[in-house]
Amino acid sequence: AQTVTQSQPEMSVQEAETVTLSCTYDTSESDYYLFWYKQPPSRQMILVIRQEAYKQQNATENRFSVNFQKAAKSFSLKISDSQLGDAAMYFCASLQNRDDKIIFGKGTRLHILP
Amino acid sequence: DVKVTQSSRYLVKRTGEKVFLECVQDMDHENMFWYRQDPGLGLRLIYFSYDVKMKEKGDIPEGYSVSREKKERFSLILESASTNQTSMYLCASGAFGGIGRPYNSPLHFGNGTRLTVT
Repeated sequence: AQTVTQSQPEMSVQEAETVTLSCTYDTSESDYYLFWYKQPPSRQMILVIRQEAYKQQNATENRFSVNFQKAAKSFSLKISDSQLGDAAMYFCASLQNRDDKIIFGKGTRLHILP
Repeated sequence: DVKVTQSSRYLVKRTGEKVFLECVQDMDHENMFWYRQDPGLGLRLIYFSYDVKMKEKGDIPEGYSVSREKKERFSLILESASTNQTSMYLCASGAFGGIGRPYNSPLHFGNGTRLTVT
């Protein structure tokens, strides 16, 4: 079964500090993608970063980077130099290429402390 | 810019009513999805579609059906609304390719419909 688990319902970080959000997943497929989405109070979902499973190199987008551990089925998101605008719900998701099914975790609410 | 439009931002319906939630995308995406979002439960997949007239059950399809008669439109139907279907409903579209097809576009979401069933 395809599952995504986020074990941290809420986290807080001081502005300008670094924070890491955890995600583990399970899939029987070898061809898949992983994503982090952000949902601010406006509730519009925004893609933060994506990782192709066949790529060993960790994806990076400006202050956002991932630590992709394929064998451990772990996909954590690191936010560097946290800003007030980073406050949001963050969802981890997986896409199986076999059936184009996308599953999300329960989310982590991130608070940024000024 | 990709636009995914959900017909209503807020909707209030009575128990037993038939409810239609409409979603339209303007990027010719093959893949469309319906999720419901509830506090503490994240986004749960109701149904998805990878082509016109094709539909696949997600993890919580009970009490829902869908229709995809045209590529750009994916409708979620609550045949007989119940109070436990009060939720935020999110529609999304993308173009992932699947086996043998190139990954093209990530998932783009509509603004959501907050449905209250009384």
